[in-house]
Amino acid sequence: GESVGLHLPTLSVQEGDNSIINCAYSNSASDYFIWYKQESGKGPQFIIDIRSNMDKRQGQRVTVLLNKTVKHLSLQIAATQPGDSAVYFCAERANQAGTALIFGKGTTLSVSS
Amino acid sequence: GAVVSQHPSRVICKSGTSVKIECRSLDFQATTMFWYRQFPKQSLMLMATSNEGSKATYEQGVEKDKFLINHASLTLSTLTVTSAHPEDSSFYICSAPSGGSGYTFGSGTRLTVV
Repeated sequence: GESVGLHLPTLSVQEGDNSIINCAYSNSASDYFIWYKQESGKGPQFIIDIRSNMDKRQGQRVTVLLNKTVKHLSLQIAATQPGDSAVYFCAERANQAGTALIFGKGTTLSVSS
Repeated sequence: GAVVSQHPSRVICKSGTSVKIECRSLDFQATTMFWYRQFPKQSLMLMATSNEGSKATYEQGVEKDKFLINHASLTLSTLTVTSAHPEDSSFYICSAPSGGSGYTFGSGTRLTVV
C-alpha cells in the first residue's frame, strides 16, 4: 500500500475556481511564515509572507491566513489559473531573523481548463 | 533584487566520484548559506548551514564527512558530495538570508549518480 507522508497531496481545481491550500507548522515559537511556489526542476518562488503578529495578509489574488492557536496556515488563491499549477510549500522561521526556513510537506495544485 | 547563482544546474556522475555544487550571491553578501536536499515528490529538507569563516552546522542524520561544505568568502558557499552513491541522487538547493526577512534561493542542482 501507499506510505503516508512520502507523496505530496494533490488539490485539483477547475480554472476560475478559488483554491485553498493548507499547512500545519511545527514550532509554536516560529515568528515568520512564507508560502512558496515550486515548478518542476526549479527553486522555490516567493508568493506571500506573514508575521506571527498578524492573522491575515492579502496580496494580488492570494491571501494567507495564520491560526497560531492550532499552528495552521492556509493559502487562498482566487480565480485559479492553469499557470498556478505547481507544488506549494509553507515555510516557517524560528523566532530569530536569519535562521533557516523549515518547509512543510507541500501540496500539488493541478488546475484544469 | 538579490540573486543567488547556483551551478551546475544538472550533473551526472559515476558512483564513487565527488561532485561540487557552488552558490554565489551576486549582489549582496551572504554570511550564511542554507543547503537543502529535495527528493522527488517530497519537501525541501535542511541539510546544513554554512557560515563564512567558520565550520558548517549539520542537521541530525546528515553526514558531515560526506557532504563537505565550505564558505570561503562572503559571496561563495560550496557543497561537495563525496563518494557519491545512487541514493545521493536528489535536487540540491541553496538559500541565503538577503536583507530584512527575505531569503533568496538558488535555482537548484539536479544530481544523478549512476
